[in-house]
Amino acid sequence: DTAVSQTPKYLVTQMGNDKSIKCEQNLGHDTMYWYKQDSKKFLKIMFSYNNKELIINETVPNRFSPKSPDKAHLNLHINSLELGDSAVYFCASSQDSTRFRGYTFGSGTRLTVV
Amino acid sequence: GDSVTQMEGPVTLSEEAFLTINCTYTATGYPSLFWYVQYPGEGLQLLLKATKADDKGSNKGFEATYRKETTSFHLEKGSVQVSDSAVYFCAPLPTNGQNFVFGPGTRLSVLP
Repeated sequence: DTAVSQTPKYLVTQMGNDKSIKCEQNLGHDTMYWYKQDSKKFLKIMFSYNNKELIINETVPNRFSPKSPDKAHLNLHINSLELGDSAVYFCASSQDSTRFRGYTFGSGTRLTVV
Repeated sequence: GDSVTQMEGPVTLSEEAFLTINCTYTATGYPSLFWYVQYPGEGLQLLLKATKADDKGSNKGFEATYRKETTSFHLEKGSVQVSDSAVYFCAPLPTNGQNFVFGPGTRLSVLP
């Protein structure tokens, strides 16, 4: 059983398109995250949701919009894709901060904008 | 703000060599400390952790000791294998419970 699953694994799309990445966790965790990893492997937090509520929204373009229909799912929608959006996007989950034991990461979605 | 400094990679070693990857941090309060590993084409996996001063985290032959006096959490392994080739990330969890700080990652390549 995959603990944190993301789809798709690879996404190639043209500039200006709108795309979504889906994430689901079956660990019963309360908190989910989106991270962006650039070509130099730097990881940057984008969003964090706790029980469907947005708790962290770092400085990312408003073309990026997370949606959490329930605490097991956190999707990422990106409008008007740009070349600079090319990166690997990781979903992660954890227990809430009072019971934090570390993140569980998905395997990533490699987005290539051409 | 909170930050992490890791030794710059890439680190290239021969099989069975000794490994050290340095990590120092600044964080609010008294954080728990984690090392994550990312194998090629995969997501990050928790490798080991330590939650208080002088604790030693260990897993898969890797060890790291929480040194509060030097705010460090260096990763070591006595004899690396080709399968250890990956990127290693150091990450402190600040006491405010918001773990959003990862080190820049250190790429390790182990040659047969």
